[in-house]
Amino acid sequence: QVQLVESGGGVVQPGESLRLTCAASGFSFSSYNMHWVRQAPGKGLEWVAIMSSVTHDEKYADSVKGRFTISRNDIRKTVYLQMSSLRPEDTAIYYCARTTSDWYFDLWGRGTLVTVSS
Amino acid sequence: QVMLTQAPSASASLGASVKLTCTLTSGHSTYAIAWHQQQPEKGPRYLMKVNSDGSHIKGDGIPARFSGSSSGAERYLSISSLQSEDEADYYCQTWGTGSVVFGGGTKLTVL
Repeated sequence: QVQLVESGGGVVQPGESLRLTCAASGFSFSSYNMHWVRQAPGKGLEWVAIMSSVTHDEKYADSVKGRFTISRNDIRKTVYLQMSSLRPEDTAIYYCARTTSDWYFDLWGRGTLVTVSS
Repeated sequence: QVMLTQAPSASASLGASVKLTCTLTSGHSTYAIAWHQQQPEKGPRYLMKVNSDGSHIKGDGIPARFSGSSSGAERYLSISSLQSEDEADYYCQTWGTGSVVFGGGTKLTVL
């Protein structure tokens, strides 16, 4: 079954860290760019980060640059998002999604909720 | 940098048709976009990619009553024979210069 499954969300305090995991199955994971996208409560979609296939180049939204790190393990078919120095405005559902060489998402996960609150 | 504009809401009656619009910023009228559907309390679902010439490539399992088209800087998502499960938020999405861009989304209400 072709799917993405996120995990690792939870409630943390401002300034703390959290690592999200996205497990892929049913497709050739190494051939795809992998992204993280988030959605704050009641808001629209916001792109967070990409790790490209093959070269594993990383890019980030300005809102998370320097605080979040994306990585991937093609053997385990998994992509990660290491989040540090978390802020209340990082509270959101975090989705992983895939793209090919042109960055149009064609598969999404169900998401994992991150709440940053004191 | 490319940006996408969507009307915040739309409504149509059960069984009717609706056409949602996504507008690209000036100078980006050749860009393709993708449409994504987000039903209440669910993750997004890829519907289709719409090219500047109006051709579109649908995702697996997307019903024939969903179609895409283009005119200039506008990209459209048309839904015919509206069903209750079509009530959802619809987002358009594109990319450029190392980042991804989303429209603000259109909330479709099926009356």
